Amino acid sequence: AQSVTQLGSHVSVSEGALVLLRCNYSSSVPPYLFWYVQYPNQGLQLLLKYTSAATLVKGINGFEAEFKKSETSFHLTKPSAHMSDAAEYFCAVSDPSGNTPLVFGKGTRLSVIA
Amino acid sequence: DADVTQTPRNRITKTGKRIMLECSQTKGHDRMYWYRQDPGLGLRLIYYSFDVKDINKGEISDGYSVSRQAQAKFSLSLESAIPNQTALYFCATSDPSGGITGELFFGEGSRLTVL
Repeated sequence: AQSVTQLGSHVSVSEGALVLLRCNYSSSVPPYLFWYVQYPNQGLQLLLKYTSAATLVKGINGFEAEFKKSETSFHLTKPSAHMSDAAEYFCAVSDPSGNTPLVFGKGTRLSVIA
Repeated sequence: DADVTQTPRNRITKTGKRIMLECSQTKGHDRMYWYRQDPGLGLRLIYYSFDVKDINKGEISDGYSVSRQAQAKFSLSLESAIPNQTALYFCATSDPSGGITGELFFGEGSRLTVL
């Protein structure tokens, strides 16, 4: 079975500061990993995905994540937070077969302080 | 227009009532899903369907049923709603033939309140 753990249900950063949202996964097979973002009163949209190519993945809005097999991690970062980054962020895992639906973490709410 | 459309967007109902949430998509994807979002619990899978003749239970299917009426339509029913089914419900689609397996495309959600 696959699972993800997001450390910290709420993260608060100052505008312009580094954003770091943590995600650790558990998988018996090489995983596919995803970060989704949910803005208030909206559905989820894909930020970025890792599918066994480059371990450093760049996504939309300046976010990136690095797959570290030795640490079973896929942390999301952004060098400089913007007020518009305030949202809930979800890490998710699937397997390369494509036959198992995504399993989501519990989410991390990011607040950006002016 | 949205690629994945959910109706209704908001619904308030009473305990014991039957309620149906509908999802339609124009993406041409074979795979459709229903997830439930609760604060602090993330998204949990209720049911999923890989094609019109395929229905699978997810993590929390008790109290729910689904119908895949066509490739483009996937409905979620609560036969007898109870207050702890108050949540935000999401429909999603995916298409593994595009080469990226597992990536989901979401509707905007249906907020259900059961009194």
